[in-house]
Amino acid sequence: GGIITQTPKFLIGQEGQKLTLKCQQNFNHDTMYWYRQDSGKGLRLIYYSITENDLQKGDLSEGYDASREKKSSFSLTVTSAQKNEMAVFLCASRSGQGAGQLYFGEGSKLTVL
Amino acid sequence: GEKVEQHESTLSVREGDSAVINCTYTDTASSYFPWYKQEAGKSLHFVIDIRSNVDRKQSQRLIVLLDKKAKRFSLHITATQPEDSAIYFCAARITGNTGKLIFGLGTTLQVQP
Repeated sequence: GGIITQTPKFLIGQEGQKLTLKCQQNFNHDTMYWYRQDSGKGLRLIYYSITENDLQKGDLSEGYDASREKKSSFSLTVTSAQKNEMAVFLCASRSGQGAGQLYFGEGSKLTVL
Repeated sequence: GEKVEQHESTLSVREGDSAVINCTYTDTASSYFPWYKQEAGKSLHFVIDIRSNVDRKQSQRLIVLLDKKAKRFSLHITATQPEDSAIYFCAARITGNTGKLIFGLGTTLQVQP
């Protein structure tokens, strides 16, 4: 088995601050994802990456940057945190291409004061 | 862009009854349809999937039906148990786009003892 580790679990920031979330997986999976989960809005895809150094924009990429410098890690940066923003960011990974289940991390909860 | 709509935001059933959650998708090129479960306070995990070359798949008490003409798929949970209570998400992936997975907004299922 493997595991996806997201850090930090909780992140508190100030308006306008740049904030970075990290995700590590030891499945040796090719594809990694960042989703944002807001109450009542399901999961929205921010960025995904099908291999090291690849980045693909999702539907919610504006306001975010991502980086996949190693196969095992995928980081997400909130470029300018919005006041009163609160959301959970979920990292996931999947092996290879085509169909196959996603494995999710436990999530990183962001609160902006 | 492609969308996945989940028709029931909440669903309440009595223990032992069946629960049905319905989803529709917009892109006819979608070919892979997984379902995920999120228990309270936890992250998502995979429960079952169906590919577009079949119209029915069963795994124990879970049945997924796919109607490609109507662009509709559904999750049937038979003989529900209290531990089935959770948020269920449907999702869809487009053929040829090996990475992008779009989720519905989720259905909160409550199984009443």
